[in-house]
Amino acid sequence: GAGVSQSPRYKVAKRGQDVALRCDPISGHVSLFWYQQALGQGPEFLTYFQNEAQLDKSGLPSDRFFAERPEGSVSTLKIQRTQQEDSAVYLCASSRGVGDYGYTFGSGTRLTVV
Amino acid sequence: AQRVTQPEKLLSVFKGAPVELKCNYSYSGSPELFWYVQYSRQRLQLLLRHISRESIKGFTADLNKGETSFHLKKPFAQEEDSAMYYCALASSGAGSYQLTFGKGTKLSVIP
Repeated sequence: GAGVSQSPRYKVAKRGQDVALRCDPISGHVSLFWYQQALGQGPEFLTYFQNEAQLDKSGLPSDRFFAERPEGSVSTLKIQRTQQEDSAVYLCASSRGVGDYGYTFGSGTRLTVV
Repeated sequence: AQRVTQPEKLLSVFKGAPVELKCNYSYSGSPELFWYVQYSRQRLQLLLRHISRESIKGFTADLNKGETSFHLKKPFAQEEDSAMYYCALASSGAGSYQLTFGKGTKLSVIP
């Protein structure tokens, strides 16, 4: 596609619900990243995929967070038993190669947990 | 651990005035630094990277290892420069290529 597409754009979840956020990267981009951006903060790294392999998940804040990219293209970030502190914008980014920091970001999904 | 500090949350300048957005970093390795920008209602996008030593939209940034800084500068601010600016530090190792972002500085150019 022409850019990185994320869905949904907005998600309101009741505390305790599970949510799934989708990222459709630029076709052919090897690297895919998820970042979490809380209000008034910069993006914070969650996890990194190189094709279908999740090479770094050191930024995932708890075992309630899970990400996958099974065929090396579309990725899903799942949050189980959402809590209020999970409220944030979740950004997906992709880049052409390995070690390419020229990310293309998606518009993000704004998650609000009530 | 790596850290990026942007000391100003908000910077207001008049059109035509010089701009300097400050960024300091902490990193034990050889740093690779970037500036990303987010215009109103647009996505976060790469503005420039230090290894390119390029000027984009009149902006430049020089890496000063002695002062551990990577300040973003422009001699004459334009209204269209109003945006949120994030400094970011790359770290690689053990198969990861993540960026550490600062908290951002909102630049407001007053007509």
